[in-house]
Amino acid sequence: GIQVEQSPPDLILQEGANSTLRCNFSDSVNNLQWFHQNPWGQLINLFYIPSGTKQNGRLSATTVATERYSLLYISSSQTTDSGVYFCAVEGHSGGYQKVTFGIGTKLQVIP
Amino acid sequence: KAGVTQTPRYLIKTRGQQVTLSCSPISGHRSVSWYQQTPGQGLQFLFEYFSETQRNKGNFPGRFSGRQFSNSRSEMNVSTLELGDSALYLCASSLAGDSYQPQHFGDGTRLSIL
Repeated sequence: GIQVEQSPPDLILQEGANSTLRCNFSDSVNNLQWFHQNPWGQLINLFYIPSGTKQNGRLSATTVATERYSLLYISSSQTTDSGVYFCAVEGHSGGYQKVTFGIGTKLQVIP
Repeated sequence: KAGVTQTPRYLIKTRGQQVTLSCSPISGHRSVSWYQQTPGQGLQFLFEYFSETQRNKGNFPGRFSGRQFSNSRSEMNVSTLELGDSALYLCASSLAGDSYQPQHFGDGTRLSIL
């Protein structure tokens, strides 16, 4: 199956700093999503981005499908950005969709 | 529009018992997927249902099963519970069909096995 690698595994930021999270995947994918899991365990869909660039407020994401990676940018970080960021890709397995998650990047934003 | 609803939120069981978890997808969503999240293994795909049919299955033993009803609501059943089944079980729904749609997650059911 598809392998998904996320880096860095852990990140500590001072409030107001910027950061870039990376997701590499081992095979071509049909789509890619970024999620944020808050400290209460809720998974929130940030971006659905099989290719190209999208922006939503302080967050933006870029996926270069031909080179098999995606980047999530967080600008002017806030303490509420703390949590785990997951990259999830969908490939084909036996003709059907199958979602594979990376292990996540744990982000802590300190005041 | 209401989000994905999972019940119950918390559950405590003992080894050998069985458990049924429920997931109500967003209205209009026909695909429901289930995931297990543990500190050691991360988020792992269990199975996906679409139009009452299991479309795909992850690498879990047969003790894990599921089904989907005509209204797209889904249930997941785990029989002969083991300590290692303690986890957060997440359900996600999407419009699905032939195009690829983003998934929306419920808040999960936290299952503890004693």
